[in-house]
Amino acid sequence: EDKVVQSPLSLVVHEGDTVTLNCSYEVTNFRSLLWYKQEKKAPTFLFMLTSSGIEKKSGRLSSILDKKELFSILNITATQTGDSAVYLCAVGRRQGAQKLVFGQGTRLTINP
Amino acid sequence: SAVISQKPSRDICQRGTSLTIQCQVDSQVTMMFWYRQQPGQSLTLIATANQGSEATYESGFVIDKFPISRPNLTFSTLTVSNMSPEDSSIYLCSLRSFWDEQFFGPGTRLTVL
Repeated sequence: EDKVVQSPLSLVVHEGDTVTLNCSYEVTNFRSLLWYKQEKKAPTFLFMLTSSGIEKKSGRLSSILDKKELFSILNITATQTGDSAVYLCAVGRRQGAQKLVFGQGTRLTINP
Repeated sequence: SAVISQKPSRDICQRGTSLTIQCQVDSQVTMMFWYRQQPGQSLTLIATANQGSEATYESGFVIDKFPISRPNLTFSTLTVSNMSPEDSSIYLCSLRSFWDEQFFGPGTRLTVL
């Protein structure tokens, strides 16, 4: 059965800290790994990763994929209170079912 | 990226009634999906909305409970039928872009009393 596991489930840090969120997966016919930020209802797209070792970067956020070890990390540097959210990792498959398989999410809280 | 709108944004409904959620996209998209997020849980795919044909449902979801329409490439509806408190969730429509990125609408928060 396809599985996506995120860690930690919850993280509390101070503003300015750097955080690393983890996502490991066991999915047949892997196609892509996606990261989302969810603050209220709608997940906001952050990154899609398909190739190992190529870092994707957007401002203070960056992410990288390791297809050999089956995991991805999301880094946030110089955290701000506005980064407080649930961060979701999802994996898409190349064939068969079109669904994304989601992890349980990491709840990140940034204290001032 | 395409702009996705959903309505209603939230609703409180009585047990046994039905609610239809609308999803509108500002450009034509091939792949549209409906997801559910129950309280404290992650997202689960309900079905893929196929234009011009019946939706494809995931295991555990049936057409009688969650009928879906997709009359064209920019619009879809999801109906939650004969609601019970267990149907209280956030319902999200989603689309896949040409480059395989997947985006979500603003969501509908449903509470069933």
